[in-house]
Order: sequence, then C-alpha cells, then structure tokens
Amino acid sequence: KAGVTQTPRYLIKTRGQQVTLSCSPISGHRSVSWYQQTPGQGLQFLFEYFSETQRNKGNFPGRFSGRQFSNSRSEMNVSTLELGDSALYLCASSLWQGSGYTFGSGTRLTVV
Amino acid sequence: DQQVKQNSPSLSVQEGRISILNCDYTNSMFDYFLWYKKYPAEGPTFLISISSIKDKNEDGRFTVFLNKSAKHLSLHIVPSQPGDSAVYFCAARGDTFSQGGSEKLVFGKGTKLTVNP
Repeated sequence: KAGVTQTPRYLIKTRGQQVTLSCSPISGHRSVSWYQQTPGQGLQFLFEYFSETQRNKGNFPGRFSGRQFSNSRSEMNVSTLELGDSALYLCASSLWQGSGYTFGSGTRLTVV
Repeated sequence: DQQVKQNSPSLSVQEGRISILNCDYTNSMFDYFLWYKKYPAEGPTFLISISSIKDKNEDGRFTVFLNKSAKHLSLHIVPSQPGDSAVYFCAARGDTFSQGGSEKLVFGKGTKLTVNP
C-alpha cells in the first residue's frame, strides 16, 4: 500500500518567487494536513483539508494557501517567497476522524 | 505561546538502559497525546498515543505516562537500542468534535535521542 507521496522532494527557489508543493494521500484517506518544520521550531500547523474544504488553518500569513481536489490530492502554494520560508514542508493524511496521521517524507524548500 | 514544551533538546543513553523523554503542555483542552519519531530526511512516524482518560499506555518497549494534574507526559523506552536514535516529538490534540472535526496537532520542538552502543 503506497504511503503519502510528496513532490518534489527538494526545491530551490529565489526570494520573491512562488512555489507549489504537491501531496498525494494514502488511497482512501480524505483528510490532508500540512505542517512546516524549521530548525528548532518543531512542526507548525499550516492547514487541514477534508473533502475539498479547508477545515482548519494555522497562524501563517496569507502568502501561504492550499487546496484539495476531488481525488483528495492536495497542493499548497507559497507566494512572494522569503528567506524564512526555507523549511521542510510535511503533508499528512488520515482515514477518518481520530484515526491518526500518516506523514509523507516532506518537501525540503530552500529560498536563496 | 508554546502550548507543548519539550525542555530537553537532547538526551544520550547507553544501549540497554531506559530512555525517558518528557513533555509538558499548558492547554487543558488537549485530550489526546501522541509521540512521533523522526529520522533525518523522513517524515515523522507515529509511535504511541494516549487518551486523557488514561494514565498509561504500553506498546512493546514503549510506554507513555500521562499526569493530567501536572500537565505532563513522558515516553519510556526500555531497553533502549541504537536504532532508537532519532528526534522524538510530543504532540497534543484537542477534542475533534469541538474543533469541527479538525485533527490539528500541536507539536513540541523535539528531543534528539542518541543511544550509544
């Protein structure tokens, strides 16, 4: 059974550019969440989607956005990149409420 | 305001001995707690969880203890093995019903465990 797939694995962008990250959840999982991990900051919640609807949003600026498609695949977009956006972006999916997350391996974004 | 705190950035233990990782939280609305293990360049892997109605949960070498009055939980690994060397994250979740079904987790900053052979 395939796990949570995130593409690309690594990405280098320039300040001011925008980036789109993709996440394919485990087949049958309808909930997808995104987290940002930076050195020394742990994992910080970005947003959560269920059945194409944003169910919850973390405390990030409006430059961070996301969406979920009818096949449960999700994308997140960061516009006007800043150096501080360099991080590991993790996607997680869950089968049903309370079943717990399975995380993908993440996309390592470096902004130069 | 950090709602979940792991005050020890690192911990080093000898193989075969007990590893104890600690976590404190401030939000009394949290009702479910989890521990994740993370290797470099990989996503976090779920280890063990505990509901707020329990004070202990065991799974093989891993035991999680919850002290609700102290808002403190700990993860015990016995015996510790070199393969346990990783970063361990404590996470907490509020009641999903009151959160509109959201499973949002609040994570600590992690403790890097090194198990020496």
